[in-house]
Amino acid sequence: GAGVSQSPSNKVTEKGKDVELRCDPISGHTALYWYRQSLGQGLEFLIYFQGNSAPDKSGLPSDRFSAERTGGSVSTLTIQRTQQEDSAVYLCASSFLGSGQPQHFGDGTRLSIL
Amino acid sequence: KQEVTQIPAALSVPEGENLVLNCSFTDSAIYNLQWFRQDPGKGLTSLLLIQSSQREQTSGRLNASLDKSSGRSTLYIAASQPGDSATYLCAVASGAGSYQLTFGKGTKLSVIP
Repeated sequence: GAGVSQSPSNKVTEKGKDVELRCDPISGHTALYWYRQSLGQGLEFLIYFQGNSAPDKSGLPSDRFSAERTGGSVSTLTIQRTQQEDSAVYLCASSFLGSGQPQHFGDGTRLSIL
Repeated sequence: KQEVTQIPAALSVPEGENLVLNCSFTDSAIYNLQWFRQDPGKGLTSLLLIQSSQREQTSGRLNASLDKSSGRSTLYIAASQPGDSATYLCAVASGAGSYQLTFGKGTKLSVIP
């Protein structure tokens, strides 16, 4: 497809389990971003990848969160030992290059921790 | 730390009316400002991006202005339609990472037929 693709669209899991969220950016976009959208907190930046540079992980809320980007394309966000406060919509975006370019978002993964 | 505020939180208007959504930010040292639209259960759709050196951008019935010195932006929607109903988010790129967006909490717009 032409847009940013995220999977799964919904994920329900038990507290303490690990989850993996996937993002396929727009072809040719070198920059990839993860955000979290939760009630009351709005949208928060989590992590940024640009080409082969070291990612900016400054927004990750704890060491239970990690992300990788393979081959400069697909990215996975992993949450270990999930907690109820991790429940949110996780949005991925990509852009052509980095700063100054509009970011294009996927529809997100709605994560619910029971 | 950059903070972005959007007023009002919700707005309801009759179809055909022109309307203005407001966004303010605390740190005027921004790289750019983006307006997004979010439909329920969906991601964000980029509407307009204004670079810090620009004063406004237009796309169809939408016009966004930027006054960096006062920390304000407005999104003007002309001749509103029911299909414009959505949440509108303002985001600014600032700080050490010029790509890092700080978002407002949005204005939920309802256009009544």
